[in-house]
Amino acid sequence: ETGVTQTPRHLVMGMTNKKSLKCEQHLGHNAMYWYKQSAKKPLELMFVYSLEERVENNSVPSRFSPECPNSSHLFLHLHTLQPEDSALYLCASSQGASGGLSSYNEQFFGPGTRLTVL
Amino acid sequence: ILNVEQSPQSLHVQEGDSTNFTCSFPSSNFYALHWYRWETAKSPEALFVMTLNGDEKKKGRISATLNTKEGYSYLYIKGSQPEDSATYLCAFSSNTGKLIFGQGTTLQVKP
Repeated sequence: ETGVTQTPRHLVMGMTNKKSLKCEQHLGHNAMYWYKQSAKKPLELMFVYSLEERVENNSVPSRFSPECPNSSHLFLHLHTLQPEDSALYLCASSQGASGGLSSYNEQFFGPGTRLTVL
Repeated sequence: ILNVEQSPQSLHVQEGDSTNFTCSFPSSNFYALHWYRWETAKSPEALFVMTLNGDEKKKGRISATLNTKEGYSYLYIKGSQPEDSATYLCAFSSNTGKLIFGQGTTLQVKP
């Protein structure tokens, strides 16, 4: 148990559906992240929120829309996805430094959501 | 483009064997090198965060070394056990605070 939970754990959706992934951290951290892992590829950073402000949008298509309503919760809203978006989506949190992210603090990961787009 | 390379991609050893794998990363603008262990169906968990050239860290039978001048880190496991079977990820951090991950080394320890 890492203190970061994600729901749902598995999701199957059609290309025309709209769904949301949820992440919650119970660690009092002030930075949260969405990562994507596709088969045979490294973990790929998608979005970063620091102090509830988005600080990174790593050239992610607009069909992925993040939301961070407070420092404990992070959502990833999905709409009109493509089959190639099928992947494991991981959420993480960490304690940032004053004014931004910290290079030195470990990230705590959730168990991920396995997404399949039909 | 910042690249983090890990080798080998996968490794099969017998219980009791010692093993090591490599992480190569950019030597410029280095702030930290992270190692994570990722067991199947679980979350990645941090093993070490290393910052100083020549640093060596140890946790039980697992240790890691760091060479920031040439841009590599080694992870060693002494006397591998089946419960060490996992994917080991390294990640490079520059001044941005964001992590760039390698593809991982998947270790399988046979009893």
